[in-house]
Amino acid sequence: SQELEQSPQSLIVQEGKNLTINCTSSKTLYGLYWYKQKYGEGLIFLMMLQKGGEEKSHEKITAKLDEKKQQSSLHITASQPSHAGIYLCGADGTSGSRLTFGEGTQLTVNP
Amino acid sequence: DAGVIQSPRHEVTEMGQEVTLRCKPISGHNSLFWYRQTMMRGLELLIYFNNNVPIDDSGMPEDRFSAKMPNASFSTLKIQPSEPRDSAVYFCASSKDRALNSPLHFGNGTRLTVT
Repeated sequence: SQELEQSPQSLIVQEGKNLTINCTSSKTLYGLYWYKQKYGEGLIFLMMLQKGGEEKSHEKITAKLDEKKQQSSLHITASQPSHAGIYLCGADGTSGSRLTFGEGTQLTVNP
Repeated sequence: DAGVIQSPRHEVTEMGQEVTLRCKPISGHNSLFWYRQTMMRGLELLIYFNNNVPIDDSGMPEDRFSAKMPNASFSTLKIQPSEPRDSAVYFCASSKDRALNSPLHFGNGTRLTVT
């Protein structure tokens, strides 16, 4: 099965600081998804990456998939309290099985 | 679009009782997924359907769990009998199709507490 490791497990930053969250796979990634979850709510889809070297941005959040397609990073520029939550990476399995997820990174942004 | 709708939002029940969770996927989406989230195990895929047919139920923990999708706009996840270790947040998600590049859209979940 596809195993995903996220780091760090938790992160506390001051408002305005930049930060990076990493997601590493034990196998080649054929589809890598980033989601955000707020406490008590469902997961919100952020971005999907498929090609090696691909990079996508949405507002102040940028996600990249490395050339070997085994690691992805999520970068937030000039963080704000609204960015706080749990960020999860998810990936499809090579056998066609659908999304499995990493354990998540808990982000706190202090004003 | 209203998004994926789950009910109830919260369920508290006693051990041994039957629990039924409900989900309405986004209209036009052909794939539906049930996940369970706990602190210990994170987010686990229980089962997913494509065109109302169960495709992969390997994540269903045991025979006490069953899921149905009688039509394209409704699915249920049933636990009978429930046990305290079933306490978790259960999420339903849907996607346009089962293709690997089709993002999942999640409901807000049902928080189940079994005492």
